[in-house]
Amino acid sequence: RKEVEQDPGPFNVPEGATVAFNCTYSNSASQSFFWYRQDCRKEPKLLMSVYSSGNEDGRFTAQLNRASQYISLLIRDSKLSDSATYLCVVTANAGKSTFGDGTTLTVKP
Amino acid sequence: SAVISQKPSRDICQRGTSLTIQCQVDSQVTMMFWYRQQPGQSLTLIATANQGSEATYESGFVIDKFPISRPNLTFSTLTVSNMSPEDSSIYLCSVLTSGAYNEQFFGPGTRLTVL
Repeated sequence: RKEVEQDPGPFNVPEGATVAFNCTYSNSASQSFFWYRQDCRKEPKLLMSVYSSGNEDGRFTAQLNRASQYISLLIRDSKLSDSATYLCVVTANAGKSTFGDGTTLTVKP
Repeated sequence: SAVISQKPSRDICQRGTSLTIQCQVDSQVTMMFWYRQQPGQSLTLIATANQGSEATYESGFVIDKFPISRPNLTFSTLTVSNMSPEDSSIYLCSVLTSGAYNEQFFGPGTRLTVL
């Protein structure tokens, strides 16, 4: 079993749709959680940190359930520019991060 | 945040040769890492670059193949030694910033093709 597992995707949605990505992790000692976005042929960029209380940044909402070891990302009112691969990242001790395989989102007009 | 630059941005190399990739950060950071991203795959941690001591390698990666230097808190190099086509990949330098929630930033990557 992989340490971090994501929805395999790909997700193809129309503009304006709401889409949700799920991620589970196996290391119960994990300390920090993030969603990264990676555009084609570019490096990953931090989208948002994920807090136990849940957090929202504009159209993006991230939630963490430590008991279930589950992380989610919700994107509302999808834009064409949201098309990218979304990586779930879990960080344990000493700052070592484990990346999920990513979920590819394509938003179509 | 941290601004990270890498050199070279890309290279095409012959089998059996070695390539050294440089990573420069615009501020002092405690933790620097080197990752590899093979085509169509996610990122895999190669090693943690430790300032003033030997790097800490992940399972499947060894110092003879991927020697790493970290002479100070803003700079690191990764060498891909005795390259084979299987080493064709994107190599990314990454740093972890300190704070309430440690955030990780990545360099633009070095796209390596081994013929």
